[in-house]
Amino acid sequence: EAGVTQFPSHSVIEKGQTVTLRCDPISGHDNLYWYRRVMGKEIKFLLHFVKESKQDESGMPNNRFLAERTGGTYSTLKVQPAELEDSGVYFCASSQSLLAGGSKKQFFGPGTRLTVL
Amino acid sequence: QQQVKQSPQSLIVQKGGIPIINCAYENTAFDYFPWYQQFPGKGPALLIAIRPDVSEKKEGRFTISFNKSAKQFSLHIMDSQPGDSATYFCAASAAGGGNKLTFGTGTQLKVEL
Repeated sequence: EAGVTQFPSHSVIEKGQTVTLRCDPISGHDNLYWYRRVMGKEIKFLLHFVKESKQDESGMPNNRFLAERTGGTYSTLKVQPAELEDSGVYFCASSQSLLAGGSKKQFFGPGTRLTVL
Repeated sequence: QQQVKQSPQSLIVQKGGIPIINCAYENTAFDYFPWYQQFPGKGPALLIAIRPDVSEKKEGRFTISFNKSAKQFSLHIMDSQPGDSATYFCAASAAGGGNKLTFGTGTQLKVEL
């Protein structure tokens, strides 16, 4: 079974440009989470999808960040326009539906390292 | 406000030693406490997890000790090996919060020969 995949693995952009990160969760996982780790700090929650619905976006830094999960499969996180403080590693994680008897275990992708110059 | 505090920031032990990483939390609604292991260039990988109704859980060489009254939990790695050198994160989540994870700041562990 394939794990969580993320694309691209690295992205270097100029301040003011737009970047779109993609996450493909484990097949059948209804829950999809985005997290971010800024250098030297803890991994912080950004938002949570259940299928295609945003369940919680309390961690999104501001309205320059837009996440979508059309069809309840893969998700994208767009940053527009990017600022210097957006640099960090963006992780995606997925987990099964608890309502369907699944586990709380979250499986993480390898992350996308974003550098804004 | 950091809800999960992790220490130490870094740790060096000799092969065969028992590194111990400690975490403390504030939110009493947390009901799931996983530990993640991360190697450079990889994403965090779930190592072991515990629920607050259990005081200890062991899986292979990894043990979590949990103290509900003190709101603390720790990871012990028995007979540590150089291959255990990685960054370890404790985390916590609450069912009422959609199970989103709140992480500690991480501990860089190095196991020397």
